Amino acid sequence: QKEVEQNSGPLSVPEGAIASLNCTYSDRGSQSFFWYRQYSGKSPELIMFIYSNGDKEDGRFTAQLNKASQYVSLLIRDSQPSDSATYLCAVMQGYSTLTFGKGTMLLVSP
Amino acid sequence: GAVVSQHPSWVICKSGTSVKIECRSLDFQATTMFWYRQFPKQSLMLMATSNEGSKATYEQGVEKDKFLINHASLTLSTLTVTSAHPEDSSFYICSAGTGGSEQYFGPGTRLTVT
Repeated sequence: QKEVEQNSGPLSVPEGAIASLNCTYSDRGSQSFFWYRQYSGKSPELIMFIYSNGDKEDGRFTAQLNKASQYVSLLIRDSQPSDSATYLCAVMQGYSTLTFGKGTMLLVSP
Repeated sequence: GAVVSQHPSWVICKSGTSVKIECRSLDFQATTMFWYRQFPKQSLMLMATSNEGSKATYEQGVEKDKFLINHASLTLSTLTVTSAHPEDSSFYICSAGTGGSEQYFGPGTRLTVT
């Protein structure tokens, strides 16, 4: 069974700090990795995706992938209160379906 | 671009009735649409995958006779919850894909069955 694990949190960080969110997955055949942000009562919105080992940066966000360790992370620099949300990690095998983790709640305090 | 809409955004129905939820890709053609369900404090669980013009593929444990999916065109898919019960109350979210790895999510439909 394909599983995606995330710490449920909440992860509390002060405004301006770096928030680090982690995710592990069980299926070594996973090829694409996604981070979504979900505000309460809303649907997920894509933050970024990563396919290759290493780091990928997009503004304040950096995704890190280590396929050997089956580990993917998301760093949020200069965290803002508006970043407070649940962050969902999702993995995909090929061009098939997404498997989501349960998400990590992030709380950024002013 | 890549906007997906859902209608209605919320619905309340009585137990035993059926409810239809529409998912539309507004500015692109979706070769595949996905239906998810999310219970409070839980993650999104894929219910089914549908391709235009063909029968939906349901995930294990999802009753295909209860959750009817129709993908009539490249821009419209519908989910009908038949004979709804209170345990079907949930947040239903659709997403649409164009054949690549990215999916575009709709805003979701909150269903409450009384």
